[in-house]
Amino acid sequence: EAQVTQNPRYLITVTGKKLTVTCSQNMNHEYMSWYRQDPGLGLRQIYYSMNVEVTDKGDVPEGYKVSRKEKRNFPLILESPSPNQTSLYFCASSSLTSGNYEQYFGPGTRLTVT
Amino acid sequence: KNEVEQSPQNLTAQEGEFITINCSYSVGISALHWLQQHPGGGIVSLFMLSSGKKKHGRLIATINIQEKHSSLHITASHPRDSAVYICAAVSGFGNEKLTFGTGTRLTIIP
Repeated sequence: EAQVTQNPRYLITVTGKKLTVTCSQNMNHEYMSWYRQDPGLGLRQIYYSMNVEVTDKGDVPEGYKVSRKEKRNFPLILESPSPNQTSLYFCASSSLTSGNYEQYFGPGTRLTVT
Repeated sequence: KNEVEQSPQNLTAQEGEFITINCSYSVGISALHWLQQHPGGGIVSLFMLSSGKKKHGRLIATINIQEKHSSLHITASHPRDSAVYICAAVSGFGNEKLTFGTGTRLTIIP
């Protein structure tokens, strides 16, 4: 089954404790992206990647890191989380070569930083 | 001011009604997505279009690049269509950067 998986689905952590949210897709997609969703602000793009070893900033990259060492994985790293990073996070992927740029979203990760 | 504006923010309609959700954008774009977010939070892609019109079942999406405007229509609406509908403007080639509208919450009453 074609899917994007994220782990963990829920996480409560404390300020300053480094964490990683994993994202994996099994569709051989070139493009992957991370978004956060906040009430009243909607979805905002954090980082995206056009292919392995190619990443770029979205609208709200501060406080986040990403890496794309393999095509299927695109982890989101919070080196020193702060309460303003409490949010619902979505990973998504799409093909850049098939002509169908439909985005496939993961189920979301709800992060609370206290 | 958000670069992508959606209207209305909230819409309640009776089952069977024809629904229109609008999306206007101020940036230059290569394409536009329409997404559906279910009450449980999951997000599904409905359409991506760069010109003209696309149809899938009861859903129709149109875009006018010159007027920087897109619409999502739902014919014969049903309570299962109740969700948040989000448009997202794509800049660059192949989904480089997305800017989202804040969404339209649609409620269909039986």
